[in-house]
Amino acid sequence: GESVGLHLPTLSVQEGDNSIINCAYSNSASDYFIWYKQESGKGPQFIIDIRSNMDKRQGQRVTVLLNKTVKHLSLQIAATQPGDSAVYFCAERGGSNYKLTFGKGTLLTVNP
Amino acid sequence: KAGVTQTPRYLIKTRGQQVTLSCSPISGHRSVSWYQQTPGQGLQFLFEYFSETQRNKGNFPGRFSGRQFSNSRSEMNVSTLELGDSALYLCASTFRTDRETQYFGPGTRLLVL
Repeated sequence: GESVGLHLPTLSVQEGDNSIINCAYSNSASDYFIWYKQESGKGPQFIIDIRSNMDKRQGQRVTVLLNKTVKHLSLQIAATQPGDSAVYFCAERGGSNYKLTFGKGTLLTVNP
Repeated sequence: KAGVTQTPRYLIKTRGQQVTLSCSPISGHRSVSWYQQTPGQGLQFLFEYFSETQRNKGNFPGRFSGRQFSNSRSEMNVSTLELGDSALYLCASTFRTDRETQYFGPGTRLLVL
């Protein structure tokens, strides 16, 4: 069935370093992917999205890479800051049912 | 523009009771989706409403239901509550289509005792 999973459940980085959060998906029909950030006590916050006709998309300090060949998605955060500490979810949509399917999440901790 | 709002923010119920949660989407948004978030299962899709009609449904029992009003506000109801229904219930809205970005509310944290 459809599933989206994360390779690393936790990631700890030093402030100023770059962070890379990975995500694998299994639904080859998925054509839209999103990264969300969820801070404690809050709902998920949209970070960046990418459609399947693209390989890379850049935002402010964030870059999403999509490798459809191996069904892999990654989120790169440049110059990670303490405020980036949160749980990051990848999500995919597509196929016969357009519901949003989330991965389990990766906890990013930024050490000062 | 105000974001997605959910009420109440916290709720404590006992097994067997029912509960109704409310969601007001971003002004102009017509699609509302509901998700259940638990530590063990993560974020799971419950259902989606568009123009007062349920358009998509996740794999939850019939105890979970919802509806949408003409002003796009949505409610979800859980009847005969079980301990396992304790979770954060999130609502998300989009303008029109499933392909657009969903914006989430802060959630309602439900505890079933």
